[in-house]
Amino acid sequence: DVKVTQSSRYLVKRTGEKVFLECVQDMDHENMFWYRQDPGLGLRLIYFSYDVKMKEKGDIPEGYSVSREKKERFSLILESASTNQTSMYLCASTADRSEAFFGQGTRLTVV
Amino acid sequence: RKEVEQDPGPFNVPEGATVAFNCTYSNSASQSFFWYRQDCRKEPKLLMSVYSSGNEDGRFTAQLNRASQYISLLIRDSKLSDSATYLCVVRAIQGAQKLVFGQGTRLTINP
Repeated sequence: DVKVTQSSRYLVKRTGEKVFLECVQDMDHENMFWYRQDPGLGLRLIYFSYDVKMKEKGDIPEGYSVSREKKERFSLILESASTNQTSMYLCASTADRSEAFFGQGTRLTVV
Repeated sequence: RKEVEQDPGPFNVPEGATVAFNCTYSNSASQSFFWYRQDCRKEPKLLMSVYSSGNEDGRFTAQLNRASQYISLLIRDSKLSDSATYLCVVRAIQGAQKLVFGQGTRLTINP
């Protein structure tokens, strides 16, 4: 079974903190994605990566950065957390042309 | 215009009814299409891929119309356990393979 693991289910951080969300997949997938999901807005793509050290901006990259130093790990970084970044964050991975597999999600609250 | 658009619902239908969802996409170069299901506070999971010739999996039927750029999902003989949010997903080519989600359609099956 494909497994995508996100480091935390729930996180509470203070405004201005630097926040790291980690995602690891065990199926040697080339492509990895970070989304955030908010009520009424659906899943919005923040960043994605199609290879080690490669990254592409999604639809809402502002305030975020990513790192992919190893194929299995894709990290999302909130440089200076703000309250409008309170959300559910979902990581996904996929091989080319196949369906995506998701991690269990991280519910981040910024206070 | 959003890349992938769905009617957000909510749809409330009685058990045993047939329900249909549509989803339109704007990128004519899109190559792969999927329906995902998401239960409350859970990650999305693949329901079925959508093939050009249409495909069926038990009570679920998916259709693709490339000329009109829409995909559809039909659920027959709906069960209480079908209550969930259904997400339309399109894989587009943008350098890398980008997965774009519709905002989801919430379905509630009533006894």
